[in-house]
Amino acid sequence: ETGVTQTPRHLVMGMTNKKSLKCEQHLGHNAMYWYKQSAKKPLELMFVYNFKEQTENNSVPSRFSPECPNSSHLFLHLHTLQPEDSALYLCASSQGTGGLNTEAFFGQGTRLTVV
Amino acid sequence: KQEVTQIPAALSVPEGENLVLNCSFTDSAIYNLQWFRQDPGKGLTSLLLIQSSQREQTSGRLNASLDKSSGRSTLYIAASQPGDSATYLCAVEDRGNSGGSNYKLTFGKGTLLTVNP
Repeated sequence: ETGVTQTPRHLVMGMTNKKSLKCEQHLGHNAMYWYKQSAKKPLELMFVYNFKEQTENNSVPSRFSPECPNSSHLFLHLHTLQPEDSALYLCASSQGTGGLNTEAFFGQGTRLTVV
Repeated sequence: KQEVTQIPAALSVPEGENLVLNCSFTDSAIYNLQWFRQDPGKGLTSLLLIQSSQREQTSGRLNASLDKSSGRSTLYIAASQPGDSATYLCAVEDRGNSGGSNYKLTFGKGTLLTVNP
């Protein structure tokens, strides 16, 4: 257990559905991240939040909408996804960003399948 | 653009063997390098973090080294065990393309390690 909890662990959704992924960290960290892991590809950074402010949007399509209401919670709202969006979505947190105190702790991920 | 390469892509060894996993990165202006372990279908577990000013870090049977100037890191696993079987990922933190305060981790594709009993 890393202190970062993601729900749900598995999600199957149709292309017209709207769903949300949730991430919660109990580590007192200030930075939270969403990553996408597809088969045969490196982890891709999607979004970074530092002190609840979005500091990175790595050219992610608008059908993915992040929300960070406080430093402990991070959501990823999904709508009108495509089958190629099927992947393992990983949440991570760190004390800060940039050098010191940036060791990243990951959740177990949400396995998303778009049908 | 930072690129991280891990060699080999897969490795199979008998139990008890010592082994080395390799990681290289193209831009040496990094803040730190981190090694992770990932079990199938699971999240990542942090193994070791090396700051850019450090040369190596050790944790139990694991030793990671960093040669920042040449853009290389190695993860040494001593006396391997079947429980070490997993994918090992290397990631470097730098400022990304946009600079400023936008730090980001860039990952390699990983090395799939199988330790046979």
